[in-house]
Amino acid sequence: GEDVEQSLFLSVREGDSSVINCTYTDSSSTYLYWYKQEPGAGLQLLTYIFSNMDMKQDQRLTVLLNKKDKHLSLRIADTQTGDSAIYFCAESLGNLIFGKGTKLSVKP
Amino acid sequence: EAGVTQFPSHSVIEKGQTVTLRCDPISGHDNLYWYRRVMGKEIKFLLHFVKESKQDESGMPNNRFLAERTGGTYSTLKVQPAELEDSGVYFCASSQSPGGLAFFGQGTRLTVV
Repeated sequence: GEDVEQSLFLSVREGDSSVINCTYTDSSSTYLYWYKQEPGAGLQLLTYIFSNMDMKQDQRLTVLLNKKDKHLSLRIADTQTGDSAIYFCAESLGNLIFGKGTKLSVKP
Repeated sequence: EAGVTQFPSHSVIEKGQTVTLRCDPISGHDNLYWYRRVMGKEIKFLLHFVKESKQDESGMPNNRFLAERTGGTYSTLKVQPAELEDSGVYFCASSQSPGGLAFFGQGTRLTVV
């Protein structure tokens, strides 16, 4: 089936690292994505990784991909209150298959 | 460069009425997608246009939903007649190639009362 699974909630303290995990089902996905949705806003493409890569780093963001286990993670270093949002993992099978989203709460 | 724009940002209508949502993709993007998120559930695919043609409409919930993309530029999604369960956020996305990087609009929040 086409299921992308991710935990629903994550709470961290400001300055800590956040790690959001995701598992997907289809190994033929070309891209794997992380989208961010802030309250009242649309879906912002945060980062993505090609399926032939293991890791991608972009400033405070690190994406790790384990194709064998079909596991994707997003690490946010030095998490700030402005990072509070819902983070969606998605795999690309032509159209996108999304997880339910992880709500990240950052406490000062 | 303008991103994907959607109009309106919010719409509140009564059950049985008609609503039309509009999406303007990024210029030059042949691929246009509609998605929706209902009641805090997953974001679900509705359909995919390549230029003016419907490439995949397997996600359309029923025949009360009609999507068009005349001329291969902007797209409309009409709900007629609207039901309570249609409430949610409707997202539009576009990409240069099928399965390519998809950029989303701000979404239209539809509330059916």
